[in-house]
Amino acid sequence: NAGVTQTPKFRILKIGQSMTLQCTQDMNHNYMYWYRQDPGMGLKLIYYSVGAGITDKGEVPNGYNVSRSTTEDFPLRLELAAPSQTSVYFCASSYWGSYYGYTFGSGTRLTVV
Amino acid sequence: GQQVMQIPQYQHVQEGEDFTTYCNSSTTLSNIQWYKQRPGGHPVFLIQLVKSGEVKKQKRLTFQFGEAKKNSSLHITATQTTDVGTYFCAALNDYKLSFGAGTTVTVRA
Repeated sequence: NAGVTQTPKFRILKIGQSMTLQCTQDMNHNYMYWYRQDPGMGLKLIYYSVGAGITDKGEVPNGYNVSRSTTEDFPLRLELAAPSQTSVYFCASSYWGSYYGYTFGSGTRLTVV
Repeated sequence: GQQVMQIPQYQHVQEGEDFTTYCNSSTTLSNIQWYKQRPGGHPVFLIQLVKSGEVKKQKRLTFQFGEAKKNSSLHITATQTTDVGTYFCAALNDYKLSFGAGTTVTVRA
């Protein structure tokens, strides 16, 4: 099993550009999450999904959008990139609400210039 | 979501020594999870604690959940260079985790 796969690993965007961060899991987990990690700040929840077709906002959703058309995929869309969105983005998935822990992808390091 | 505070933010340890990192909440937690993130890596699930006063061990790591379920600790004995990284506690709220800011551990050989 590949687990949780994120692409790309690195990306540099110019202010105002848009992009989609891809996340795919092959563990048949219903729950998926997007976090961003800034230095010394821990992980902040952006969006989450409890199943295909169901998404909801986390702590820091402004400037982002998500969709969940299949169990496997949970892409994160950045519209009109801003320097404040420079961060490391982690996708995670879990079985039945994370009582077994989250499985994280390897992350996408995004720089907005 | 439930907020958890971790102390210390940084821990510099001599190889072979023990240390403890703490996770505190002002509210009662349903459970607490611990993760480790190596430098440049992603968080990896270590353990979950659910019961009041629960103690779990993984080799040199000992995890404890407080009697009031408002705090937790991670104790590492005989620190090794492989213990370098950031340790996060996370509180489960419904099916979402709220992470503490982490304790970043460096080891002096």
